Amino acid sequence: NAGVTQTPKFRILKIGQSMTLQCTQDMNHNYMYWYRQDPGMGLKLIYYSVGAGITDKGEVPNGYNVSRSTTEDFPLRLELAAPSQTSVYFCASSYGTSGGWSSVGELFFGEGSRLTVL
Amino acid sequence: GDSVTQMEGPVTLSEEAFLTINCTYTATGYPSLFWYVQYPGEGLQLLLKATKADDKGSNKGFEATYRKETTSFHLEKGSVQVSDSAVYFCALTTGFQKLVFGTGTRLLVSP
Repeated sequence: NAGVTQTPKFRILKIGQSMTLQCTQDMNHNYMYWYRQDPGMGLKLIYYSVGAGITDKGEVPNGYNVSRSTTEDFPLRLELAAPSQTSVYFCASSYGTSGGWSSVGELFFGEGSRLTVL
Repeated sequence: GDSVTQMEGPVTLSEEAFLTINCTYTATGYPSLFWYVQYPGEGLQLLLKATKADDKGSNKGFEATYRKETTSFHLEKGSVQVSDSAVYFCALTTGFQKLVFGTGTRLLVSP
């Protein structure tokens, strides 16, 4: 009963380093998302994907890249880390249109990855 | 663009008190509305939703009614418990791709 699994849970990076946040889901969901959560700012969408091989930018994509080679995995890559990328990152998934209108907006979230850039 | 405005927290209540967390929205089209809850150290979970005007979503004693005339979706619970302490997010979507979240309201319930 894994759901959405994110790794690592915590990471400290130095300015200019790169890293990949891993996300995998076992619910056969078509749609996957990456959000960042900053204190007092709610969640902001970074990138999303509506299926394998398809990705699109959200509100705050700068400094990040994603890929979706399989239905299950949606890694988020940070290139040249900056202090402004210090945040908690959440991966989420949903059925999308395959679930019909009754499932719209029903996202399943991972537990989050706390990233600090020093 | 679409947006959600929530009351600022923290909201501090004693156990068994009545809870209201206000949420208003701005959207083009006809949004679906949601409340998500985030317990400490966890990801967000869907609490309830409403997909059209006058619908009432309910779950675990929480309720919210979709009011189109006031563009609101206030969260209520008649008697809160310590275990309800969490951060509550109001959200909306007008399609399948993107969910727009409010900034969240922290609820603290004391025994």
